This record gives sequence, structure tokens and C-alpha cells, in this order.
Amino acid sequence: DIVMTQSPDSLAVSLGERATINCKSSQSVLYSSNSKNYLAWYQQKPGQPPKLLIYWASTREPGVPDRFSGSGSGTDFTLTISSLQAEDVALYYCQQYYMTPPTFGQGTKVEI
Amino acid sequence: QVQLVQSGAEVKKPGASVKVSCKASGDTFTSYYMHWVRQAPGQGLEWMGRVNPSGGGTSYSQKLQGRVTVTRDTSTSTVYMELSSLTSDDTAVYYCAKAPPDLYYMDVWGKGTTVTVSS
Repeated sequence: DIVMTQSPDSLAVSLGERATINCKSSQSVLYSSNSKNYLAWYQQKPGQPPKLLIYWASTREPGVPDRFSGSGSGTDFTLTISSLQAEDVALYYCQQYYMTPPTFGQGTKVEI
Repeated sequence: QVQLVQSGAEVKKPGASVKVSCKASGDTFTSYYMHWVRQAPGQGLEWMGRVNPSGGGTSYSQKLQGRVTVTRDTSTSTVYMELSSLTSDDTAVYYCAKAPPDLYYMDVWGKGTTVTVSS
């Protein structure tokens, strides 16, 4: 199985400041035939299911605020929240879907 | 927009089985795949398996192979996840989620069903 490792486990960011979460896969999730990275990001608030934010490493799901952006390729990826809002306090997970089984990172807790 | 409504919380004894349902509405049931993901208390997300509602084809986590079965009923747009030989390690919130065909990222999730395994 592909192991996904996120860093840091938690971070505290001031309102309006940038939050950066890293995700590293144990093998590349870049499919050479279509040049797509099979990497998604989710946000989970307490008592709620995960919510898809980003797929194909950098494609924002419709309705997701543009302060959320994804970048990276191969094995190293980043989720950036450009200006943290109070409602962004949550757990964030990366997930690879390059290979079955799809696997998730351990999660990063973002606090104010 | 697809909505997924899951069945209610369950309490089971060790060794028993549980069957959780997930009813979809709002789009053509056979135009997407349905997955099951679970989350133990305070833990991360674990993919369990998926079904293609169109043909019924399934794929399962090797870790759970033999204990998990995902089925669908196209007449009611409902998918089911049955997990057998339950232990306390199976205590978790179980989510159904839809995904584009042949892809394994999940764009709509149910609210989750809590399954508690306790003697």
C-alpha cells in the first residue's frame, strides 16, 4: 500500500495568515500517461464527514473558496490556505487514489 | 447534487455482523461508484471497499477481504455494507461516499453511521 505522511500533525495560525500543510507519498502518484497526480485533499470538522476540497492535486472542487489551493507533483504535495478564516479550523487529510487501496494521510489539525 | 442518507447507529456484540445502508438521491444512481470508508474514534480514515452500481462489480480492502461485502439495489438506489465477525476494533463511524466512475476520490459523503461493538 502507498503510505501517505502529512506534516505537521498540527499547526496554529493567526486569522488572516497563511497555513501550509505538507503531504508525502511513499511512491509517486503521478500517472505518466495523462500527467495527472492522483492526489486529493479533504477537510473534516468535528462531528461531520470529510469534505472534498481538491482533486488531481490542484483542481478545486466547485464551491470551495479560492483561498484553498493545492500544489505539488510526484511524491510531494502541499495544501495552502492563503488567509485563514475561523471556519477553516478543522482536520485536513490528503489521499492518494493512484493505486488500490486508496490511502489517507494521518491528518493535520489546523487551529487558530 | 447527490445526497446520501445512511441508516442509524448500531450496537453489536463481538462475533456478530452489521449491515449499514446508504440511499442515494439527486442523480442517476448508476453514473457513479459508491465507496465505504470508516473512521475509528479519534483516528484517521480507512477505505473499505466500493461497488459499481451499474454492473455490481466490487473491490475490497485486502485487510478486510472476506469480512466485508458491499452490495447495491438499483431499484431503490441503495448500497449496503455488511461487515462480519465484528470485534471491538470495528467500532467506528462508517461513511458511504460517491466517486466518479473508475476513480477513488470521494466527492459526496453521507453523514456516517456509528457502529459500536461491545459485549
